[in-house]
Amino acid sequence: AQTVTQSQPEMSVQEAETVTLSCTYDTSESDYYLFWYKQPPSRQMILVIRQEAYKQQNATENRFSVNFQKAAKSFSLKISDSQLGDAAMYFCAYRSGGGADGLTFGKGTHLIIQP
Amino acid sequence: NAGVTQTPKFQVLKTGQSMTLQCAQDMNHEYMSWYRQDPGMGLRLIHYSVGAGITDQGEVPNGYNVSRSTTEDFPLRLLSAAPSQTSVYFCASSPPPGPNEQFFGPGTRLTVL
Repeated sequence: AQTVTQSQPEMSVQEAETVTLSCTYDTSESDYYLFWYKQPPSRQMILVIRQEAYKQQNATENRFSVNFQKAAKSFSLKISDSQLGDAAMYFCAYRSGGGADGLTFGKGTHLIIQP
Repeated sequence: NAGVTQTPKFQVLKTGQSMTLQCAQDMNHEYMSWYRQDPGMGLRLIHYSVGAGITDQGEVPNGYNVSRSTTEDFPLRLLSAAPSQTSVYFCASSPPPGPNEQFFGPGTRLTVL
């Protein structure tokens, strides 16, 4: 079974600064997908960014980018120019490439933005 | 396009009562799933379905039943509620597996006394 570990229960960053959230995973599969989801206080789950394991290029979505290290099984999220609206829980998630089941989530990192 | 809808938003049950959490999607997604979210635990998969008439167990299926008679609906049944089932429940749907985004409903907060 796959596992996803987020070692930072809480992170704090000054507005406009850059912050990196860590995620590691354990799998024996070669085909899989990785995701970062944001959960604001409204509790709605919002997709931030996704990465296909077969792609070497790191995914980028505006101020959000990932550092995908396949050999190290690491998938960190970098948020540049942090904004107050970025304050939320962030979950790293794994999905098997060939499987039909759902996502395996980490326990989450609570991101605080200091004004 | 309403996306994924869940009812009710909040529910309080007594131990031993039964209830059904409703989930519906209007995106014609084949894949639907149920998760529970507990404090400090992230989201854990309860059951999932790859299409009408096909369901399977996830990581934490005990105490829950599901069925999928239509593409749109995927209800989650608690036959005899227990305090350990106090949680926030999310339904999600997506196109077939892969990099496709899972779309989540707004969640149901369930308290079992």
